[in-house]
Amino acid sequence: GAVVSQHPSWVICKSGTSVKIECRSLDFQATTMFWYRQFPKQSLMLMATSNEGSKATYEQGVEKDKFLINHASLTLSTLTVTSAHPEDSSFYICSAHPPRAENTEAFFGQGTRLTVV
Amino acid sequence: GENVEQHPSTLSVQEGDSAVIKCTYSDSASNYFPWYKQELGKGPQLIIDIRSNVGEKKDQRIAVTLNKTAKHFSLHITETQPEDSAVYFCAATKQAGTALIFGKGTTLSVSS
Repeated sequence: GAVVSQHPSWVICKSGTSVKIECRSLDFQATTMFWYRQFPKQSLMLMATSNEGSKATYEQGVEKDKFLINHASLTLSTLTVTSAHPEDSSFYICSAHPPRAENTEAFFGQGTRLTVV
Repeated sequence: GENVEQHPSTLSVQEGDSAVIKCTYSDSASNYFPWYKQELGKGPQLIIDIRSNVGEKKDQRIAVTLNKTAKHFSLHITETQPEDSAVYFCAATKQAGTALIFGKGTTLSVSS
């Protein structure tokens, strides 16, 4: 199957700093990628839809100025958590779909564990 | 919008037994229903999926059934093994390439 790679797999940062997470589709081009957040023992909640060459679409309750998304190429989307606080500590996961209209299968990255201290 | 309910939240079985996880969805326009397995600290891995034009799909020990009228779908794992222990998520979406709406997950524990 298609491969989606996330980097880093884990990061620890100090409160008030910013952290960038990368999501790459390794063997296909993705005009759209999705960012999810998962708190411990909870489900994946969609944060935003990353659109190549245009602004991201954020879900209700997700601060666009705090979670900056850049989808500058067809294989890379980045999520930057700005001015991170301990409550931002979570597991962040991206996904992408290979560009076949009949195929809705989503491939997920391995996730990034963010810990803000 | 779509809402996906998943039950049970935890499920413990003996090795060799069957496990069934059930999900319901609210949006009748949803037409794609994948199941994901997530191991601790990892991203979800697709284990099986079904589209709305099919009522049942099987892949070795794993099967999924879909009842469009009742808007529910189920995951069946037969002959469970300890390595099946993980968190399983159902999801739904109504359009190709759009984001998935996930259920809350089921923690499956298979004891030997």
